[in-house]
This record gives sequence, structure tokens and C-alpha cells, in this order.
Amino acid sequence: DAGVIQSPRHEVTEMGQEVTLRCKPISGHDYLFWYRQTMMRGLELLIYFNNNVPIDDSGMPEDRFSAKMPNASFSTLKIQPSEPRDSAVYFCASRRTGASNTGELFFGEGSRLTVL
Amino acid sequence: GENVEQHPSTLSVQEGDSAVIKCTYSDSASNYFPWYKQELGKRPQLIIDIRSNVGEKKDQRIAVTLNKTAKHFSLHITETQPEDSAVYFCAASRETGFQKLVFGTGTRLLVSP
Repeated sequence: DAGVIQSPRHEVTEMGQEVTLRCKPISGHDYLFWYRQTMMRGLELLIYFNNNVPIDDSGMPEDRFSAKMPNASFSTLKIQPSEPRDSAVYFCASRRTGASNTGELFFGEGSRLTVL
Repeated sequence: GENVEQHPSTLSVQEGDSAVIKCTYSDSASNYFPWYKQELGKRPQLIIDIRSNVGEKKDQRIAVTLNKTAKHFSLHITETQPEDSAVYFCAASRETGFQKLVFGTGTRLLVSP
């Protein structure tokens, strides 16, 4: 398996523009997480899905952020409109539960967002 | 909800010394505690984890201890090497029901030759 795949790897945009980050989890994983990483706040959980259903979005900063998971192999995180304080690295991660589950969370390589 | 605190935020040691990173958590129902290592510019990766039915787990030069009563757990690295330099994150979650994994703020470890 290629692992968790995120795109784009880097995004530079201007304030007010819409940003869409994409994630393909590892096949067979039933949990998908979106994290935001900044120097000040570390790894913050934004939202997570179980079997494509959003379970907890309490970490989503405000209404400008939205996330969807239309099927088991794809998720998006959208910011509209973007602001400079949204600049961060956004990680998607997936995990599989089951009898042999080790609990390990597999991260993608991250999407580095810069909002000017 | 769960809140995980991690200390110190930075740690500098000489090669060969030991390093200890400590975390506390707030949700007494949490029973799974992993540690992730993130090298510069890379993704976080699991290095060791512990469940609440054990108090200590060891894997070569790294070990984790857990005190459920006090709600704290620690990462111990012995005989540190320059390649151990990275940011280390602790985390906590429940293993039953919905599994929200909450991370600490990270510890930047620098091992000098």
C-alpha cells in the first residue's frame, strides 16, 4: 500500500481565497483524522471520521473550515475564505480497528499551507 | 474532553545521556497511550505505545511507563544518539467506542555529539 496520500504538498494562496486539501487513506482503514500542526499549538485534532461519518468536529476552528468524506477512499478539508492565521501544515491520518489492531495512526506527508 | 500536557517543550542532551519526556492526561477513561517521533520536515511516526493494563513497556533503548492513578506517562530514551534528535509527541485515547487521539504539544529533543 502506498500509505496515506495527501495533496497538494504545498499551497500558497492569498487571503480570501478558497483552499481545498485532499486525502486518500490507506485501504481498509475505517478512521480518518485531520490534524493541523503549528509551532505554537503542536498537533491539533480538527475533525475525525469513522466509516465516512463525521464523529467529532469540535476542533474545527470556525465556520470557514469544513470537511467531507464522500466515500471510504477520499476526504477533503476546505477553508473558505482563507486567512493568514490558517497557515500551517495540515496532516491527514488513518487507522484501522479490529481484533488485530495495534492502534497505530498512519500519517500522510502533510500539506503545507501558506496564506499571504 | 481529553487534554494532554507534555513537558519539557525542549530538551538538549549529550550523546550517550538519557532523556525523559513526561505527559499528563485528563480523561480517566483513556487507556491507550502512544508516542510519535517526527523528524524535521517529515510525518509523525509511531515509535512505541502502552495500554493501561501494563505499567511499563520497553523496546531496545526506549521505554514507556504509565501511572494510571496519577494520570501520567513518560518516555525514556537511554544511550541517546544524534539520530534521536526529533520532536516527540505523546497522545492519549480510549480504545473502545469512538477513538479520538489527542496529542501533547511536543518535545524537541536535541542530541549533541
